[in-house]
Amino acid sequence: QVQLVESGGGVVQPGRSLRLSCAASGFIFSSYDLHWVRQAPGKGLEWVAVISYDGNTQYYAASVKGRFTISRDNSKSTLYLQMNSLRAEDTALYFCAKDGGGSGWHSFDYWGQGTLVTVSS
Amino acid sequence: DMQMTQSPSAVSASVGDRVTITCRASQGIGSWLAWYQQKPGKAPKLLIYGASILQSGVPSRFSGSGSGTDFSLTISSLQPEDFATYYCQKANSFPFTFGPGTKVDIK
Repeated sequence: QVQLVESGGGVVQPGRSLRLSCAASGFIFSSYDLHWVRQAPGKGLEWVAVISYDGNTQYYAASVKGRFTISRDNSKSTLYLQMNSLRAEDTALYFCAKDGGGSGWHSFDYWGQGTLVTVSS
Repeated sequence: DMQMTQSPSAVSASVGDRVTITCRASQGIGSWLAWYQQKPGKAPKLLIYGASILQSGVPSRFSGSGSGTDFSLTISSLQPEDFATYYCQKANSFPFTFGPGTKVDIK
């Protein structure tokens, strides 16, 4: 079965960096686009970034563009999110999600359980 | 960027009630819309994609409709496990913006 397991969250000071990972299994990792979505405490869902199946194309939300970098290692079936210049407003639960592809109308058919990032001095 | 709105923001309903949530896109998105259910402390779960296609394993009491700018999610007979927050999401172009959510709670 499809599994997505995030890791790497924690408490970090403003201005510092953190790298999140998402280990995937149960599907052909190199065939699907992947996303990061975050949820601030008590708030709604915010789409963060996407990377194409081959790693060649990335898009970012305006709120993180220039600070966050999404990447993937298809040989390790792992997705990453490098977060630099972190701000208090980046505090959130970060989910990785699998894109369902064209046949799934690019909906997010599988999600990880999330990893919590807290930015605080 | 395009905006997604949902109404109502919250609804109180009883088991067995019919509940309808609406989602509006600020620009036309065809049928590129998905609906998710999220329970506290859990990841979102895909319910509907392509505006009206039921995800495998999702009960048939859930249905979606609409195209262009106006969409709806209907729960035909609310069950205890349906009390949750529901989000719509556009999927036609980036950013894949989510709506603000609709919380369905017990009356």
